[in-house]
Amino acid sequence: DAKTTQPPSMDCAEGRAANLPCNHSTISGNEYVYWYRQIHSQGPQYIIHGLKNNETNEMASLIITEDRKSSTLILPHATLRDTAVYYCIVDARDRSGYSTLTFGKGTMLLVSP
Amino acid sequence: ETGVTQTPRHLVMGMTNKKSLKCEQHLGHNAMYWYKQSAKKPLELMFVYSLEERVENNSVPSRFSPECPNSSHLFLHLHTLQPEDSALYLCASRDGTWAGELFFGEGSRLTVL
Repeated sequence: DAKTTQPPSMDCAEGRAANLPCNHSTISGNEYVYWYRQIHSQGPQYIIHGLKNNETNEMASLIITEDRKSSTLILPHATLRDTAVYYCIVDARDRSGYSTLTFGKGTMLLVSP
Repeated sequence: ETGVTQTPRHLVMGMTNKKSLKCEQHLGHNAMYWYKQSAKKPLELMFVYSLEERVENNSVPSRFSPECPNSSHLFLHLHTLQPEDSALYLCASRDGTWAGELFFGEGSRLTVL
């Protein structure tokens, strides 16, 4: 399984862009990069995913480097409600060929006024 | 509201009790998952069901017994648990077993006395 490395915590001022990095240097060619977030004591929430190209949706943008060894999640205008743990995950197949998503420790993003 | 509903939201049980956690999804998904989240630990994948068949069992103790009677319902039967089993148990569902967004429920907070 491809592993991911994220900083344990980051701070961001409200209204500014939050750029959350993730390293996944052992990713395989057909593995997707997913981002989820978890607000305290709630279930994780899907944010975005991508394979090679950069992606954007109403929540965030995902920038994947050309060699696919790292990516950055961008929240363009962070709000206090974006304070959460952000997980970068590489989609892996188990022995049966089924996809599983293995969560690491993530990055605790604190957005301050 | 993610379309994945878990009940009960909170459960306190003794070590000799038998209880069950329930998960229901109305999204038409064909894969369902149980995750465990202990305090200050990453989410741990417990079980995966695809088309009502178990396809993943991550060395979970037999005191946890999953059941998937149909594609919309998933249960986790609990029997003779230990205090260290106290955790947030999260259910998730997905459309397809190899890609796509995981939709999580809000979780069931279990306390074993």
